[in-house]
Amino acid sequence: GAVVSQHPSRVICKSGTSVKIECRSLDFQATTMFWYRQFPKQSLMLMATSNEGSKATYEQGVEKDKFLINHASLTLSTLTVTSAHPEDSSFYICSAWDTSINEQFFGPGTRLTVL
Amino acid sequence: DAKTTQPPSMDCAEGRAANLPCNHSTISGNEYVYWYRQIHSQGPQYIIHGLKNNETNEMASLIITEDRKSSTLILPHATLRDTAVYYCIVRVTGTASKLTFGTGTRLQVTL
Repeated sequence: GAVVSQHPSRVICKSGTSVKIECRSLDFQATTMFWYRQFPKQSLMLMATSNEGSKATYEQGVEKDKFLINHASLTLSTLTVTSAHPEDSSFYICSAWDTSINEQFFGPGTRLTVL
Repeated sequence: DAKTTQPPSMDCAEGRAANLPCNHSTISGNEYVYWYRQIHSQGPQYIIHGLKNNETNEMASLIITEDRKSSTLILPHATLRDTAVYYCIVRVTGTASKLTFGTGTRLQVTL
């Protein structure tokens, strides 16, 4: 299947700093990407839908000013966690929609730890 | 998207078939059944999907009941590497629609 990468795979930061996570579709173009968050022993929760060249659509309860999403190209979407706090520590996973075969593929995830 | 119900956990001996059930009694006519799995600390991996006919690929088989209200994912010869959380999701295909993950089934494959 198609490959989606995330960078970094792990990040540790101090409270109050901002962290950027990149999601790339390596061998296909993705007009739509999704960002999920997963807390320990819980399921994936969708945070937002990112469409290339337009504003992201956030799920209810997700602060758009805290979780900034940019999807400036057909192969890259970024999630910036602004002013991170310990409660933002989580596993962040992106997925990308491959329009050529109409399927969605997931990245390996980024583990964020805020001290 | 329709909701699904799965048992929270299952055990399977290595080499035996693992049969994971899923109920989706409110599935709509244009919704497909998708299965993904998530190995610990990794992103979800696509396994298989189907509409109404049984499907098979190199990873698994999918059996969908005639009324489409339930399905079973079959891993024919489970190995330790198949230990993961398995998610059954129903959704309309052909569109970039979001996936709604339930709690899934935690499959533990043992020696």
